[in-house]
Amino acid sequence: AQKVTQAQTEISVVEKEDVTLDCVYETRDTTYYLFWYKQPPSGELVFLIRRNSFDEQNEISGRYSWNFQKSTSSFNFTITASQVVDSAVYFCALRNRDDKIIFGKGTRLHILP
Amino acid sequence: DAEITQSPRHKITETGRQVTLACHQTWNHNNMFWYRQDLGHGLRLIHYSYGVQDTNKGEVSDGYSVSRSNTEDLPLTLESAASSQTSVYFCASSRATDTQYFGPGTRLTVL
Repeated sequence: AQKVTQAQTEISVVEKEDVTLDCVYETRDTTYYLFWYKQPPSGELVFLIRRNSFDEQNEISGRYSWNFQKSTSSFNFTITASQVVDSAVYFCALRNRDDKIIFGKGTRLHILP
Repeated sequence: DAEITQSPRHKITETGRQVTLACHQTWNHNNMFWYRQDLGHGLRLIHYSYGVQDTNKGEVSDGYSVSRSNTEDLPLTLESAASSQTSVYFCASSRATDTQYFGPGTRLTVL
């Protein structure tokens, strides 16, 4: 069965703190893709990153970084020096070869000024 | 610029009425998807299409239908709207095996 678990329903941190959003996935496929999307209060879904199952390199983009570990089936997302504009719901998602995406239930992140 | 649009952005309807939500993309993507977003459930797949004349049921397809007569459009129809279908609906598109990009969403209220 394909499944994505985001155990953290809601997180609050003070601005400038670092925060990590956890994502654990389950799949039987050897080829798959993992994604993170951001949903700010305005409601749109914004694509952040895609990672395929053969690429375990960590990725850094500005204050955002992603840690992909196949051994633990995890694809965690870290925001460094958080800002109020990072407040949003973040979704982790898994896509296998049939191109259907399974989403986690999301983590609501509050960055407090 | 290429984009994906949804209309209407907000819709209020009554139980039993037929409702159609439009989705239009100008990326020439073969794959299109409809999701609904509800508190506590995240996003769930309703229907999807891999090309013209192709449609497939997703996880929560009961009470919904789609048709794909061209590459750009995948309208979602609620044949007889029910209060349980009050939700936010997102359309998405992608090239095969590529990232899905989402429309702005349609907030539907069924009274």
